[in-house]
Amino acid sequence: QLQMQESGPGLVKPSETLSLTCTVSGGSISSSSYYWGWIRQPPGKGLEWIGTIYYSGNTYYNPSLKSRVTISVDTSKNQFSLKVSSVTAADTAVYYCARRRNGSGYRDYWGQGSLVTVSS
Amino acid sequence: QTVVTQEPSFSVSPGGTVTLTCGLSSGSVSTSHYPSWFQQTPGQAPRTVIYDTNTRSSGVPDRFSGSIPGNKAALTITGAQADDESDYYCVLYMGSGVWVFGGGTKVTVL
Repeated sequence: QLQMQESGPGLVKPSETLSLTCTVSGGSISSSSYYWGWIRQPPGKGLEWIGTIYYSGNTYYNPSLKSRVTISVDTSKNQFSLKVSSVTAADTAVYYCARRRNGSGYRDYWGQGSLVTVSS
Repeated sequence: QTVVTQEPSFSVSPGGTVTLTCGLSSGSVSTSHYPSWFQQTPGQAPRTVIYDTNTRSSGVPDRFSGSIPGNKAALTITGAQADDESDYYCVLYMGSGVWVFGGGTKVTVL
């Protein structure tokens, strides 16, 4: 059974960089069958797609966040990571990692989510 | 950027039928948008209910169905039950690797 777990600081100061890691267990992140992505949800609001990475390192980003977001993959650790720079209070959200089947919209596994608060 | 539209809320009686829609601010939804639907209850991660227009995710009851009737994607719950009360989100593929979520629909069963 695949499991995905987000980890990282729960509190980040304004203007600093938010960093999260998603650790995948029970399956290989190097599979050509899947993409790995980040989705966030501000408190009381809807879901927002942040971006996606393929095991080869190809990345795709939300155009509205692209200038501040970097997603990377570490196949040796079976992890992928998210960095959001120059954060403001608007970046306060629960951040989810999820797996999506290649050639499909099927997101079959999600992490439990990690709340990141931006505050001084 | 194209906006994905959903009804803010719906109310349905137990045993009743409700159809949620997922549209585009410009243009029509097609299978090429790979519409997916997610169910989310408070404090929980979303779970996929329908993907690629009309395929039910593993373990999802067959009272949930997806379609594209006209220019929008639709999620229909036939014979609604109390535990269907949730927020429902759709997501559409916009091309070039970009996906956009709708604002979500809060479904109340009463």
